Amino acid sequence: NAGVTQTPKFRVLKTGQSMTLLCAQDMNHEYMYWYRQDPGMGLRLIHYSVGEGTTAKGEVPDGYNVSRLKKQNFLLGLESAAPSQTSVYFCASSELSLPVGTEAFFGQGTRLTVV
Amino acid sequence: SQQGEEDPQALSIQEGENATMNCSYKTSINNLQWYRQNSGRGLVHLILIRSNEREKHSGRLRVTLDTSKKSSSLLITASRAADTASYFCATVVRGIDKIIFGKGTRLHILP
Repeated sequence: NAGVTQTPKFRVLKTGQSMTLLCAQDMNHEYMYWYRQDPGMGLRLIHYSVGEGTTAKGEVPDGYNVSRLKKQNFLLGLESAAPSQTSVYFCASSELSLPVGTEAFFGQGTRLTVV
Repeated sequence: SQQGEEDPQALSIQEGENATMNCSYKTSINNLQWYRQNSGRGLVHLILIRSNEREKHSGRLRVTLDTSKKSSSLLITASRAADTASYFCATVVRGIDKIIFGKGTRLHILP
C-alpha cells in the first residue's frame, strides 16, 4: 500500500521555467492538499481540493496552479518559476472533511530549487 | 499569520526524561492534531484531540487541550533517541475546511 506518492523527489529549475508536481494517493481519499515548507515558517497551505474536479486557494496560492481531474491525483503547477519558490513541497490527503476529525497522510516531499 | 505557534522552538533533553511541547492558537477550532516529522521526511500523524475533549493518551503520548486558553500541550514520556524529530501542532479552524500548521518544535534526545 503506497499511500501518498509524490513525483519527482528532487528538481532544479531555472528562473522562468515551468514544471508540474504530481501527487497520487491510493486510499480513495476525497480531500487533497499541497503545502510548502520553508525554514522557520512551518507548513503553509498552497491549494487544496475537496473532491474530484474541485480546487480552492490556501494561504499562499500566488504563482501556483492546481488541477484535480482524477480523484487519486492532485497536480501542482509552476508556470514561471521564481527563486522565492525554492522550497520543499508536501502533498497530503484525508478521507473526510477535516473538521470531522480525521488525520492527514503525507507524501515524502519534493525538494525544489529555483536558480 | 500562523494559526498555531509551538513553544519552545527547540528542546534538548536526556534520554529517559519527559518532553513537553506547547501550542497556542488564535481562533475557535474543531480539532487539534499533533504530527511528527523526521529529518527529510514527510509528516506523520500522532494524535488528534477534539474541541470537546480535554485530555487524550496514546502510548507514551499525552495531549491536553484548554480551549479557554486556546492552547494545547504534547507530553512524551520516557523519551528515546528515536523521538528526535520536529513536532507540529495543526488546527482545523471552525467553519474552514483546511488544516493549518504551526512552525514546529525541534526535539533532540541526547544519549
